[in-house]
Amino acid sequence: GENVEQHPSTLSVQEGDSAVIKCTYSDSASNYFPWYKQELGKRPQLIIDIRSNVGEKKDQRIAVTLNKTAKHFSLHITETQPEDSAVYFCAASRGDNYQLIWGAGTKLIIKP
Amino acid sequence: DGGITQSPKYLFRKEGQNVTLSCEQNLNHDAMYWYRQDPGQGLRLIYYSQIVNDFQKGDIAEGYSVSREKKESFPLTVTSAQKNPTAFYLCASSIGQVGPYEQYFGPGTRLTVT
Repeated sequence: GENVEQHPSTLSVQEGDSAVIKCTYSDSASNYFPWYKQELGKRPQLIIDIRSNVGEKKDQRIAVTLNKTAKHFSLHITETQPEDSAVYFCAASRGDNYQLIWGAGTKLIIKP
Repeated sequence: DGGITQSPKYLFRKEGQNVTLSCEQNLNHDAMYWYRQDPGQGLRLIYYSQIVNDFQKGDIAEGYSVSREKKESFPLTVTSAQKNPTAFYLCASSIGQVGPYEQYFGPGTRLTVT
């Protein structure tokens, strides 16, 4: 069935450096790719999303890139700060409908 | 933090008892979802509903049941048939209907069954 693979499972970076998290998906009909941030004990919250007709999207220090041919998309966080420490989840739409298939998550640790 | 609420935040039950988790939204969203989250794992879909009085099984529906009698409410019952019910349960909603849209999550209910 459809699945989303997310790597790495844990990422530790020095404060101020960049962090990159990568996801691959299997359903060629997927057309919506959100990224969520979940702080410890809290609800996941959308930080950025991209649709299949766009290759890249930026929002301040956060960017997402999409390669539909290779079926992978990535989250880029620049100038990391302590408050970026959290678990990040990628997801892909199940075909072109409103259901999402989720990656397993990446725990991002920002070292002071 | 308005929009979608879940109660209670923590729930403790004895094995063999059914328990119902509440989820309410005032976003006028058509679609609602229940996910289960286990430590170190992603979100697994239990049930989803696109419209009132209609719902479909997700990937791990066994041992769970839902109802959707009102647009605003989508309660989840964890039955005694669920073999490993201890987990963090998240409810979400989205505009639904046409195309994929952002899912808004409730604060979650942590269920412990002993």
